[in-house]
Amino acid sequence: GAGVSQSPSNKVTEKGKDVELRCDPISGHTALYWYRQSLGQGLEFLIYFQGNSAPDKSGLPSDRFSAERTGGSVSTLTIQRTQQEDSAVYLCASSLAQRETYNEQFFGPGTRLTVL
Amino acid sequence: GQQLNQSPQSMFIQEGEDVSMNCTSSSIFNTWLWYKQDPGEGPVLLIALYKAGELTSNGRLTAQFGITRKDSFLNISASIPSDVGIYFCAGHNFNKFYFGSGTKLNVKP
Repeated sequence: GAGVSQSPSNKVTEKGKDVELRCDPISGHTALYWYRQSLGQGLEFLIYFQGNSAPDKSGLPSDRFSAERTGGSVSTLTIQRTQQEDSAVYLCASSLAQRETYNEQFFGPGTRLTVL
Repeated sequence: GQQLNQSPQSMFIQEGEDVSMNCTSSSIFNTWLWYKQDPGEGPVLLIALYKAGELTSNGRLTAQFGITRKDSFLNISASIPSDVGIYFCAGHNFNKFYFGSGTKLNVKP
């Protein structure tokens, strides 16, 4: 497809279970971002990838959160031992490499995570 | 981290009215951005502003990059029902983006 895709679109899980969220960026985009959006809130930065490496993980809220990116393409965000406060929409965005000059970010539709 | 203050939080207007929303920051940015998010979708870029003082239009939308590089506003003229959604400002420096908390726009036909 032409845009950023994310799966699943919705995920309901029980507290304490692990979840994996997937992001397929636009082909050729080397930069990839994960954000969290709680109900009625703005976007909270989680992690940034340039290629397969993550030079900025400063937004990950706890060590239960991790992310990886393989082959410079698909990325997976993993949340271990989910808590109810993890319920949110998780958005992925990709772009050409971000340096001093801005390159447009393109967002996926998000994964809505509900932790019961 | 850098925080963006976006106001108003929500607006209820009549179709045909003009709308204005703004964003301020304690830090300067190299680029200011305005996005719109429809329910169940990711934000979509409306306007990008690249230098201080820049005024840019995109159809009924007009946005300005503040001269201090710490603020920006977005105006929507002659609103229509499909303008309904959440509007976000964002600032960009190097490889990082910082988002405002959004302005929820409701338009009554």
